[in-house]
Amino acid sequence: EVQLVESGGGLVKPGGSLRLSCAASGFTFISAWMGWVRQAPGKGLEWVGRIRGKMDGETTEYAAPVKGRFTISRDDSKNTVHLQMDSLKIEDTAVYYCTFEKVLIDSWGQGTLVTVSS
Amino acid sequence: QSVLTQPPSASATPGQRVTISCSGSSSNIGRNIVNWYQWRPGTAPKLLIYSNDQWPSGVPDRFSGSKSGTSASLAISGLQSEDEADYFCVTWDDSLNGYVFGTGTKVTAL
Repeated sequence: EVQLVESGGGLVKPGGSLRLSCAASGFTFISAWMGWVRQAPGKGLEWVGRIRGKMDGETTEYAAPVKGRFTISRDDSKNTVHLQMDSLKIEDTAVYYCTFEKVLIDSWGQGTLVTVSS
Repeated sequence: QSVLTQPPSASATPGQRVTISCSGSSSNIGRNIVNWYQWRPGTAPKLLIYSNDQWPSGVPDRFSGSKSGTSASLAISGLQSEDEADYFCVTWDDSLNGYVFGTGTKVTAL
């Protein structure tokens, strides 16, 4: 059974940084494409970005609103994917969900809340 | 920010059929496959249908999906009280170069 467990959420000031982690199990992580999706309060789901598996070069893609500020990385030895968020803005406040891709998005974590506020 | 349009709510009496639409455009649904998810409060979204009309293991065939042109649909036959949840669609958008999501539909068993 696929399990994705996010951690690292919390309160941060505008301009600050935060690093989210997602511990994965139940599938072959090294080849898996992993991603992040967020949902701001009262808003719809928004794709953040993804990282491909080792055989696909571990390349990354990002949504326009976060490109240049967010970085997705992975540690295949720990079956973990990270979302490094820098230069945070108030509008980045959201629940962040870790995702596993097979045919589009296959599985989701339960999310971790990030609040950007002064 | 949701690019795919769904009705906010849908309902039917237990045992009846309910259908949810997901309307997109030529850059997303018109070119790519669609997945459907069930989302109950306090839980992670659960994959119900992938690649337009395929069932993941363990999902009952009461749930079915279809796609035509720039729209997709999810049907729940023989609605049960346990089916009360939010449902949303997802696909890839070739213009935005990212995933796009439906606005979500809350299904109620009357």
